Amino acid sequence: EPEVTQTPSHQVTQMGQEVILRCVPISNHLYFYWYRQILGQKVEFLVSFYNNEISEKSEIFDDQFSVERPDGSNFTLKIRSTKLEDSAMYFCASNRDRVTDTQYFGPGTRLTVL
Amino acid sequence: GDSVTQMEGPVTLSEEAFLTINCTYTATGYPSLFWYVQYPGEGLQLLLKATKADDKGSNKGFEATYRKETTSFHLEKGSVQVSDSAVYFCALYSSGGSNYKLTFGKGTLLTVNP
Repeated sequence: EPEVTQTPSHQVTQMGQEVILRCVPISNHLYFYWYRQILGQKVEFLVSFYNNEISEKSEIFDDQFSVERPDGSNFTLKIRSTKLEDSAMYFCASNRDRVTDTQYFGPGTRLTVL
Repeated sequence: GDSVTQMEGPVTLSEEAFLTINCTYTATGYPSLFWYVQYPGEGLQLLLKATKADDKGSNKGFEATYRKETTSFHLEKGSVQVSDSAVYFCALYSSGGSNYKLTFGKGTLLTVNP
């Protein structure tokens, strides 16, 4: 069964460094999402992406964040200058139809900022 | 805005015990409701969903009924197994206007002992 994959599973970085989290959505899906979960808190929506542009973003998704689909398979989340409070689990998700279709999630990347 | 409140964990049960995890929501319009499950080391997997009032979602022995009058979507299972040990997330999906994101509860850790 097709699944969403994410790499790396765990990333450790120093404050102020740039990180890129990678996701490979399911191949025939058209809508892509990033969510994050700070330890002990809710899973929060960050951004949705369709047709090579951002569809919606939350207030968390400030200028330090960017997303890109650099080729036909990858979907990336870049944090330009990481802060301690960016430490969280980051989940990628995708679906074919954003109105009626379930979002399928990857296993997540745990980001630790020191 | 939309919100989901679910029972605080952790929940510890013996095998074959009855499980209830409470979930209530606040939303405008008519959201779809979901339970996602996260097994150790894995991503968020859809467990079940319901898209309108009085619908019952069911899967793997788990059930939840969409109750509009009480704005609830409680998860139940009649006889849990050790393999059900996981974190369970209640979520809603409002597709009004340009809003196509999932709103999650905090998650409830379930541990089932033999």
